Amino acid sequence: AQSVTQPDIHITVSEGASLELRCNYSYGATPYLFWYVQSPGQGLQLLLKYFSGDTLVQGIKGFEAEFKRSQSSFNLRKPSVHWSDAAEYFCAVGSSNTGKLIFGQGTTLQVKP
Amino acid sequence: KAGVTQTPRYLIKTRGQQVTLSCSPISGHRSVSWYQQTPGQGLQFLFEYFSETQRNKGNFPGRFSGRQFSNSRSEMNVSTLELGDSALYLCASSLLAGGQETQYFGPGTRLLVL
Repeated sequence: AQSVTQPDIHITVSEGASLELRCNYSYGATPYLFWYVQSPGQGLQLLLKYFSGDTLVQGIKGFEAEFKRSQSSFNLRKPSVHWSDAAEYFCAVGSSNTGKLIFGQGTTLQVKP
Repeated sequence: KAGVTQTPRYLIKTRGQQVTLSCSPISGHRSVSWYQQTPGQGLQFLFEYFSETQRNKGNFPGRFSGRQFSNSRSEMNVSTLELGDSALYLCASSLLAGGQETQYFGPGTRLLVL
């Protein structure tokens, strides 16, 4: 069965520090992978996606993610975090034949001044 | 281009009532999916519609239903509301159906069942 695991429920980083949010997936075929961000009381905003090709993908707001098939991971990174990045981050996997996205439980990012 | 819109944004109902939520997709998008978000269960897939047909359904009771109109707008209905139905209901649209399509989410409808 398809699944997504985000091992870190909550992460706190200092403003200006680097960030890495972990995501592991379980899927039999080549997955379609997404990272979304959700601010309080808001919907989900797409940060980036991986379908195929270059395993390092660039997204909005300075985020990037690397697909590692051997580790079944799709970790999200940002070299320097801003206070406005505080939010909840969701990793998701989509199957090839349905529009169903399976989400991880989310990681809440807190940014210290 | 306008994003996905959902109405109403907030709703308070009592147990046993029914509720209808509306979603207007991005112009030109033909697929609409619905998700329920709760603190305990996270984000869970409800159903996916494409060209007025339900393509996929998540593991929810029959009290949850939906439909899609010819203009791609979608509604979901929950009958006989239970306290556990309190959640943020998110609608997402994509150009076509399928997992390779990027889904764009609306702001959600927050439902509180008392």
